[in-house]
Amino acid sequence: DQQVKQNSPSLSVQEGRISILNCDYTNSMFDYFLWYKKYPAEGPTFLISISSIKDKNEDGRFTVFLNKSAKHLSLHIVPSQPGDSAVYFCAAREPLSINNDMRFGAGTRLTVKP
Amino acid sequence: NAGVTQTPKFQVLKTGQSMTLQCAQDMNHEYMSWYRQDPGMGLRLIHYSVGAGITDQGEVPNGYNVSRSTTEDFPLRLLSAAPSQTSVYFCASSYAGSAAYEQYFGPGTRLTVT
Repeated sequence: DQQVKQNSPSLSVQEGRISILNCDYTNSMFDYFLWYKKYPAEGPTFLISISSIKDKNEDGRFTVFLNKSAKHLSLHIVPSQPGDSAVYFCAAREPLSINNDMRFGAGTRLTVKP
Repeated sequence: NAGVTQTPKFQVLKTGQSMTLQCAQDMNHEYMSWYRQDPGMGLRLIHYSVGAGITDQGEVPNGYNVSRSTTEDFPLRLLSAAPSQTSVYFCASSYAGSAAYEQYFGPGTRLTVT
């Protein structure tokens, strides 16, 4: 049973526009949420995170929003650039995890067209 | 600083064969983990370690063994390969005191079992 779901396998946007990637989760006890970016033939790399006690975190062009009542988070990329084309994974930290154990979504492939 | 390295990059095994996937990190991280990534699914945790000499099972441990004799190395052993173990395997490490709980991933090993 997947506790973290990314329901859109792919997303295509025009360069300069906003990209919005969505993620839903079922376990209300998750205490931290992260987004990772993955290029082909590479491992995922950490992008941005948010604690469950916050509703927004911003880092440059990347903003993550958390709606705890809806068990939903989203990653906004503004403006989108062709180099942002990658697979984006949402991850949630297991509560009381002793090893930073994460539950991952299946990923969304973002394509930014020039 | 090489980060997390994995060898080999690709491997083809016959059913019943055994092999070891190597993982090493040079960041002195306490935590190390092995994940597998399958199409349409997120990364799933196989085994993890919170320090040298300490390992434990993750979400999908069957058919795999691990050991952690040093802080740097965390090999994953496939005891008797099965077609269901065809997957991409990622090793990750993280720092126990990380504020964002982010993990650092290796480039992955693509394994095919025929």
